[in-house]
This record gives sequence, C-alpha cells and structure tokens, in this order.
Amino acid sequence: GAGVSQSPSNKVTEKGKDVELRCDPISGHTALYWYRQSLGQGLEFLIYFQGNSAPDKSGLPSDRFSAERTGGSVSTLTIQRTQQEDSAVYLCASSRNRGGDADTQYFGPGTRLTVL
Amino acid sequence: AQSVTQLGSHVSVSEGALVLLRCNYSSSVPPYLFWYVQYPNQGLQLLLKYTSAATLVKGINGFEAEFKKSETSFHLTKPSAHMSDAAEYFCAVSDTGRRALTFGSGTRLQVQP
Repeated sequence: GAGVSQSPSNKVTEKGKDVELRCDPISGHTALYWYRQSLGQGLEFLIYFQGNSAPDKSGLPSDRFSAERTGGSVSTLTIQRTQQEDSAVYLCASSRNRGGDADTQYFGPGTRLTVL
Repeated sequence: AQSVTQLGSHVSVSEGALVLLRCNYSSSVPPYLFWYVQYPNQGLQLLLKYTSAATLVKGINGFEAEFKKSETSFHLTKPSAHMSDAAEYFCAVSDTGRRALTFGSGTRLQVQP
C-alpha cells in the first residue's frame, strides 16, 4: 500500500517568510510524528499526535513552530518567520495505535527546507 | 530520560567483510530499540527492532542485532558486507511511556570493493 507522503519535497524560502509542510500518513495510522534532521543537531523529535489526544509538543524548538492534524489524518507543520537555522530536512512518520506493529514508525521521504 | 550513543561516525569495511555498528542506550524503563537505514536523499527505512521478545533480532538485508541488557547495547551486525549496504545507519530508542524516537548521531557505512 501507499507509504507516508510529504510535500513539497524541496522548499526554498527567504528569511522571515512563513512556510507550511504537509504530511499524509499511512491510511489507518493514528499516530503521527514530526522530526527534523540537520547537520548540526542530527535527528530531533518535534511533535507527536495520537488520535484525539492533546499533542506532545515537547520537541518544538520555539514558538515559531506549530503543527496541526486535521481529521486525524493529514498534518501540517508551520514555521513562522523562518530563520537560517531552520534549514533542515523535516521528516514525518506514522504508526498504528495497537497491534504487533504499534511501536514501528514508518517514515516519509522528507521535505528539504532551505532558508536563504 | 532516554539517550543513544553510536560509536564511530564513519565505518569502512571491505566487500564481504563483517559489518559491526555499535549502539549503546540509556533508558530508565524497558526500552524498545530500533535500527534504521537511510540511503542518500531518502527517508528512514526500518532494518529491525527489539521490543522485549527475543534478544537476537533478525532484520532485512541480512542484518541482525543482539539486545544485551547488562551492557545496555544493541549492536548491529552483518556477516558479509555488500556494496549496496553503503548508507547511514541510525540506532533509536523509545518506550511505552514515550513513543517518540530518540536517535543516535548516526554511523555512515562505506563499503570498499
């Protein structure tokens, strides 16, 4: 079946602009995660959605970062007033809530964000 | 709090040689442990996982890893390296209380002909 998809695959923006990154999880997966991969910081957790529960935002680096998940499916990560240090690959992952595979996260191909 | 340490940011082996990528973890509760592989310009692909069943875990592409609680280790091995194994490998930990993955810094594997 279809995997996790992310769009756009690449995004170049100017410092100070807002950007939106989209993630479509695997159908039926109730958990959705955002991670950031950068040269300096490696792979970092950003935010986690599980069904209708309040999201775990503990990994968001600043209040310029926010995310929402509409209808328990598609998620959008928004970065306001982008800075050069926001340049990174943003990865989305999804997983089931229960069953033998519930602990396995499946990753999308990522969105490469470049802030000029 | 959880943490993962991967010893060796770069490992180079000859084709056909043993691959050994090291991972040590820290977790205050029984962990779930994972190895992911990332090929250039691609996302992360799961190689294998440990979730408190058998301590020797077999994954895809001939890789396996052994969970050793006494050593807090989860090293990844493959008996014979192939050129197609060249990639970056990440060890990660989670648990029932914190589903989000904590990743190691990654090890880039180079396979020489």
